[in-house]
Amino acid sequence: GEDVEQSLFLSVREGDSSVINCTYTDSSSTYLYWYKQEPGAGLQLLTYIFSNMDMKQDQRLTVLLNKKDKHLSLRIADTQTGDSAIYFCAESMFSGGYNKLIFGAGTRLAVHP
Amino acid sequence: DTEVTQTPKHLVMGMTNKKSLKCEQHMGHRAMYWYKQKAKKPPELMFVYSYEKLSINESVPSRFSPECPNSSLLNLHLHALQPEDSALYLCASSQGLRGPDMNTEAFFGQGTRLTVV
Repeated sequence: GEDVEQSLFLSVREGDSSVINCTYTDSSSTYLYWYKQEPGAGLQLLTYIFSNMDMKQDQRLTVLLNKKDKHLSLRIADTQTGDSAIYFCAESMFSGGYNKLIFGAGTRLAVHP
Repeated sequence: DTEVTQTPKHLVMGMTNKKSLKCEQHMGHRAMYWYKQKAKKPPELMFVYSYEKLSINESVPSRFSPECPNSSLLNLHLHALQPEDSALYLCASSQGLRGPDMNTEAFFGQGTRLTVV
């Protein structure tokens, strides 16, 4: 079935690293995404990783993919108060001839001084 | 330009009203989406248009009627909604849908906050 799971809440101190984890079920997913949503706003695409990659780094963001365990993580280095938001992971599912995104429940990241 | 523009930002409507949500993108994307997001929940797919044709309808009630007048515009017509339809409605676009190895990198608008009274 289609299921993407995330922990619901993470609290970190400003300047520390944050690691947000996600597990997915569809082994045929070819792309996996991380989106950020600030209060009252839409979704901002942060980064994505193709399923034949193990790691992708983009400035403060590092994505790790363990395809065997169907585990995805997002590491934010030097976390800032502006990083406080909800982070959604999403898998791309090829179904009925079309790709569509399946989102996890979202992880609320709280950054405190 | 990776912008998806949605109007209005906020909408309050009665259960007998007819209203429309609008979405526009100028990235040349040929796939456009409507998502519904309830508070503290992830977005849920409602409709997908590919090359101006309705490709996916996720069993959405007929009181929601999508329309894609051209490749840049997407509308969602609302009629006889219920209070439980109150939510954030998000529009998104991506390059296209066909093929399992095609990146469906989707860009989202800021959403329309809909309240049905």
